[in-house]
Amino acid sequence: AQRVTQPEKLLSVFKGAPVELKCNYSYSGSPELFWYVQYSRQRLQLLLRHISRESIKGFTADLNKGETSFHLKKPFAQEEDSAMYYCALSLANYGQNFVFGPGTRLSVLP
Amino acid sequence: DAGVIQSPRHEVTEMGQEVTLRCKPISGHNSLFWYRQTMMRGLELLIYFNNNVPIDDSGMPEDRFSAKMPNASFSTLKIQPSEPRDSAVYFCASSLEAGLGSTDTQYFGPGTRLTVL
Repeated sequence: AQRVTQPEKLLSVFKGAPVELKCNYSYSGSPELFWYVQYSRQRLQLLLRHISRESIKGFTADLNKGETSFHLKKPFAQEEDSAMYYCALSLANYGQNFVFGPGTRLSVLP
Repeated sequence: DAGVIQSPRHEVTEMGQEVTLRCKPISGHNSLFWYRQTMMRGLELLIYFNNNVPIDDSGMPEDRFSAKMPNASFSTLKIQPSEPRDSAVYFCASSLEAGLGSTDTQYFGPGTRLTVL
């Protein structure tokens, strides 16, 4: 079965410190991975997707098929990065289907 | 574009009452998704539609939940009867249908915060 795991429910770091939000997936097909973010009192929004290989708000994520991981990283965390982060796996079948991880709450301390 | 529109934004009801949540997807999008978010379980996919047809409803928790999409611009999620454990934020999302074997970004609405007393 397809699964997305995010081992940390809560991650606290100090401002300026590096941050890594872990995501692992299980899927036998060709995966498409995404990171979604939800800031306080705002709607869920796409942060980045692996196929675009871009950096958004200083965040990057590399798909590692060998380790079945898609960890989200930022070298210097900012207080405004505090939010709920969801890793999501898209199943490349007709009609689409997304599997979300349980989410990690990132708290960046001053 | 106003994005995905959901109503109401907040709903407070008593146990046993019927609750109807509404969603208007982005114009031109062919796929629509209903999610539930709770502290305990995070974000869960309940059901999704493609071209107004339900494709996968395996995430619907039980028979008290039902969803319809009578046309391309409107969908409802109904809970009857509601229970306190249904209290959560319910999100609707839509996406373009990118075709066989491919995927597209989902755009989320602001959510409806449901409280069942």
